[in-house]
Amino acid sequence: DAGVIQSPRHEVTEMGQEVTLRCKPISGHNSLFWYRQTMMRGLELLIYFNNNVPIDDSGMPEDRFSAKMPNASFSTLKIQPSEPRDSAVYFCASSRTGGLGGNTIYFGEGSWLTVV
Amino acid sequence: KNEVEQSPQNLTAQEGEFITINCSYSVGISALHWLQQHPGGGIVSLFMLSSGKKKHGRLIATINIQEKHSSLHITASHPRDSAVYICAVSLLSSGSARQLTFGSGTQLTVLP
Repeated sequence: DAGVIQSPRHEVTEMGQEVTLRCKPISGHNSLFWYRQTMMRGLELLIYFNNNVPIDDSGMPEDRFSAKMPNASFSTLKIQPSEPRDSAVYFCASSRTGGLGGNTIYFGEGSWLTVV
Repeated sequence: KNEVEQSPQNLTAQEGEFITINCSYSVGISALHWLQQHPGGGIVSLFMLSSGKKKHGRLIATINIQEKHSSLHITASHPRDSAVYICAVSLLSSGSARQLTFGSGTQLTVLP
């Protein structure tokens, strides 16, 4: 299996531009997570989907951020308009759902976003 | 107070040394994860455990549910083990058993 695939790996954009990050979860996984990592705040959960449905988006910082999962094999995280403080590494992760014992979560390699 | 605390924040060791990284948490959890993040940024899941002990190669992870504490051990450390090790817990709260709360990470440097 190719693992969780994210694109782009790196993006530099100007303030005010729209940014779209993409994620393909591992086939058969029905939980998908978007995380943001910064030096100041570490790793933070932005939004969590289960069976393509957003379950918890309380971590989405503001209305400029939106996420969609139109099908089981694709998700996007969009920032519009982007601001310099959005510069971070954005990770997508997926896991199988099931039980309270938890499941191993598989991370993509991250999308490094720089907003200038 | 953070719900997940790791120690130490930074650790430098000589090749071959036995290494221990600690993680304490203050809430009920369904599972604890140890993650490894290399300088290139990619995150790899090392272990997911809810009780006892797991071993994979030179890595050993233990958890004590009563004491709310976990340790990650590396035996015969090697420079390629240099990375940030992150402890994360799945909280026992309604609707969020599968979400993770992260520790701040331990930066490990193993010198040749």
